[in-house]
Amino acid sequence: DAKTTQPPSMDCAEGRAANLPCNHSTISGNEYVYWYRQIHSQGPQYIIHGLKNNETNEMASLIITEDRKSSTLILPHATLRDTAVYYCIVPQEYGNKLVFGAGTILRVKS
Amino acid sequence: DAGVTQSPTHLIKTRGQQVTLRCSPISGHKSVSWYQQVLGQGPQFIFQYYEKEERGRGNFPDRFSARQFPNYSSELNVNALLLGDSALYLCASSFRDRRDEKLFFGSGTQLSVL
Repeated sequence: DAKTTQPPSMDCAEGRAANLPCNHSTISGNEYVYWYRQIHSQGPQYIIHGLKNNETNEMASLIITEDRKSSTLILPHATLRDTAVYYCIVPQEYGNKLVFGAGTILRVKS
Repeated sequence: DAGVTQSPTHLIKTRGQQVTLRCSPISGHKSVSWYQQVLGQGPQFIFQYYEKEERGRGNFPDRFSARQFPNYSSELNVNALLLGDSALYLCASSFRDRRDEKLFFGSGTQLSVL
């Protein structure tokens, strides 16, 4: 599977933007970048996904570099409830099998 | 609308026993996947079913099996339980079996093997 690399942890002040980076240098042209998050003791939650263009929804924005080798998830106004493990995933096989790495632990602090 | 529902929420078994976990996907979703999450790690893919056919299998022993029913609900069976099978078992559903499909996860079944 396309390996993604994320920092193990990040801190963010409440109300500020949280910018979570992800490297996926071996991504191929038809592979999507997905972001999920997992709040303690809950199932993972879909956040956003994209192929080439930047994407925005009610939860976050996804910025993908022009060469597609990296991306950034932006939570525009982080709250304490955004404290979670954030996973950047590039599904490769046919179908929607996800390979989760270690993710980034985001701690939002007041 | 109800999300993905899993039952039971918690389960305690002893080594050597068998367990069946159940999952009901979101209405209209035809694909169901199972994941195992050991404490401190990310979820690991076990199985995917789409339209009652197995579409993918992760690196798990034959003690693990699953099936999908005509109403698209699914069961995960684990035989001859080992202590190492203690984990959170997650079910996820999606409408189709495609790369551009987002998955919706249930809250999981916490299995403890003593």
